[in-house]
Amino acid sequence: EPEVTQTPSHQVTQMGQEVILRCVPISNHLYFYWYRQILGQKVEFLVSFYNNEISEKSEIFDDQFSVERPDGSNFTLKIRSTKLEDSAMYFCASSQNTNSYEQYFGPGTRLTVT
Amino acid sequence: DQQVKQNSPSLSVQEGRISILNCDYTNSMFDYFLWYKKYPAEGPTFLISISSIKDKNEDGRFTVFLNKSAKHLSLHIVPSQPGDSAVYFCAARGAISSGSARQLTFGSGTQLTVLP
Repeated sequence: EPEVTQTPSHQVTQMGQEVILRCVPISNHLYFYWYRQILGQKVEFLVSFYNNEISEKSEIFDDQFSVERPDGSNFTLKIRSTKLEDSAMYFCASSQNTNSYEQYFGPGTRLTVT
Repeated sequence: DQQVKQNSPSLSVQEGRISILNCDYTNSMFDYFLWYKKYPAEGPTFLISISSIKDKNEDGRFTVFLNKSAKHLSLHIVPSQPGDSAVYFCAARGAISSGSARQLTFGSGTQLTVLP
């Protein structure tokens, strides 16, 4: 069964450094998403991406965040200058098309900012 | 922001019995609801969903009920199995007209433990 994959599984970085989290969505899916879950808190929406542009974003997704689909398979989330409060699990998800509401999640990347 | 609420952080049931997980929402613009299951160190796994125009959807052992007037939905698992032990998240999607049709709003989750 096709699945969303994410790399790395765990990333440790120092405050102020840039990080790039990588995702490979399910191959025939057209919509891509990033969510995060801070320890002990809810899963929160960050951004959705379709047709090479952002379709929706939350208040969390400020100027330090960016997303990109650099090729036909990868979808990345970049955090330009990490802060301690960026420490969280970051989940990538994808969905098939406009009429498909189910989003399929990857296993997540645990980001630890020290 | 408590648009989707799961008031029970945990639930324990005996194997073979019914598990009922509850979820309440406040945003009347939500038009689609989903349940996800999550094991430790894994991402949420889609289980079952329901459109706001329906009041029930069934898939094998899993049934979701929606009471739109009460802004309440529930997930029934019958019979419950030890492998069902996980955190269950309720999530909701906004209507196209709301401008938030592509984002899921999650509840805080309920830890289900099925005892053998």
